[in-house]
Amino acid sequence: AQSVTQLGSHVSVSEGALVLLRCNYSSSVPPYLFWYVQYPNQGLQLLLKYTTGATLVKGINGFEAEFKKSETSFHLTKPSAHMSDAAEYFCAVSDRRDKVIFGPGTSLSVIP
Amino acid sequence: NAGVTQTPKFQVLKTGQSMTLQCAQDMNHEYMSWYRQDPGMGLRLIHYSVGAGITDQGEVPNGYNVSRSTTEDFPLRLLSAAPSQTSVYFCATAATQGSYNEQFFGPGTRLTVL
Repeated sequence: AQSVTQLGSHVSVSEGALVLLRCNYSSSVPPYLFWYVQYPNQGLQLLLKYTTGATLVKGINGFEAEFKKSETSFHLTKPSAHMSDAAEYFCAVSDRRDKVIFGPGTSLSVIP
Repeated sequence: NAGVTQTPKFQVLKTGQSMTLQCAQDMNHEYMSWYRQDPGMGLRLIHYSVGAGITDQGEVPNGYNVSRSTTEDFPLRLLSAAPSQTSVYFCATAATQGSYNEQFFGPGTRLTVL
């Protein structure tokens, strides 16, 4: 069975600082991996995904993530945080069939 | 295009009452699903459907029923509401069966069971 852990339920960064949100997964098969973002009182929207091929994936709003099989990780980064990045971020893993399992989420705060 | 719509936005129920949460999409997506979101637990899959007439259970299906008679609609029924079902419910769709696809989420229904 798949599972996802996100280290840190809440992360605070200063505006302009590096954003690093951690995601580790377990999967019995090569996974598909996703990062979604949820702004207050909204549904989730896709930031980026890894399916196959290049392990460094670029997404919207300047975010990127790297799939590291040896570390079973898919950490999300952004070089310079903006105030508009404040949101809840969810890592997700799929079993390459029908189900997608979401992590517990990390709330990102950006300090002016 | 409206995308994925959910009604109602908010609902308060008493224990034992039943209700249906509506989800509709106009993107002609085959795959539809229901999640519940609880603090510190992320999103948990309740039920999903890979096409009209086909549904299956997710992680937390107890207390919920679904049906899919059309491509567009995927209602979630609470048979006898319990306080443990207080949550935010999201409907999501994807173009086809296959978990590599991006899911598109509705705005959510916030349900309180007293």
